[in-house]
Amino acid sequence: DIQMTQSPSTLSASVGDRVTITCRASQSISSWLAWYQQKPGKAPKLLIYEASNLESGVPSRFSGSGSGTEFTLTISSLQPDDFATYYCQQYYTLYTFGQGTKLEIK
Amino acid sequence: QVQLVESGGGLVKPGGSLRLSCAASGFTFSDYYMSWIRQAPGKGLEWVSYITNTGSTIYYADSVKGRFTISRDNAKNSLYLQMNSLRAEDTAVYYCAQKAGYFDHWGQGTLVTVSS
Repeated sequence: DIQMTQSPSTLSASVGDRVTITCRASQSISSWLAWYQQKPGKAPKLLIYEASNLESGVPSRFSGSGSGTEFTLTISSLQPDDFATYYCQQYYTLYTFGQGTKLEIK
Repeated sequence: QVQLVESGGGLVKPGGSLRLSCAASGFTFSDYYMSWIRQAPGKGLEWVSYITNTGSTIYYADSVKGRFTISRDNAKNSLYLQMNSLRAEDTAVYYCAQKAGYFDHWGQGTLVTVSS
């Protein structure tokens, strides 16, 4: 099974900050990686697919990069609505999610 | 617009059974693979199962294999998850999601609680 490890588990930041979340796969997954945002009591929302493709309607301050085993999600300038939990997910072999990164207000 | 509405969750005793349903609308249901994904309280996301658009191919996570059965009725635009031999660790919000791969549309989820 492919394991996905996100870091950090918790991230404290301020509005306007640039933040980066990292996701590492236990083996190469090419670019078969997605990122989601989840707010309390809500279903996850797709942000990025195929490592770097922005889902329609998602603000351009979100970007994804990487391939193989290391990936990043970057938010260029944090907005109040961005404080949430973020998950990566591989779909190279079935599906595995990372454990999540909670983005908190500093 | 795509809408997925889960139902059927509730409280069940360990060893019991429950059948979840997901009603789909706003897209051609019979064209899409569908998945179930769950989230235990305060925990992360876990993929549970997927089914191809015709139902010809099905996969399960090891944690539910042999206990859960996914199915669909394309005439009713509905997805199902039959859950048997339920355990405390199956307690979670269960989401249906469009596609298999990355998941671009999700339902609101239905809570399953396994407790005596």
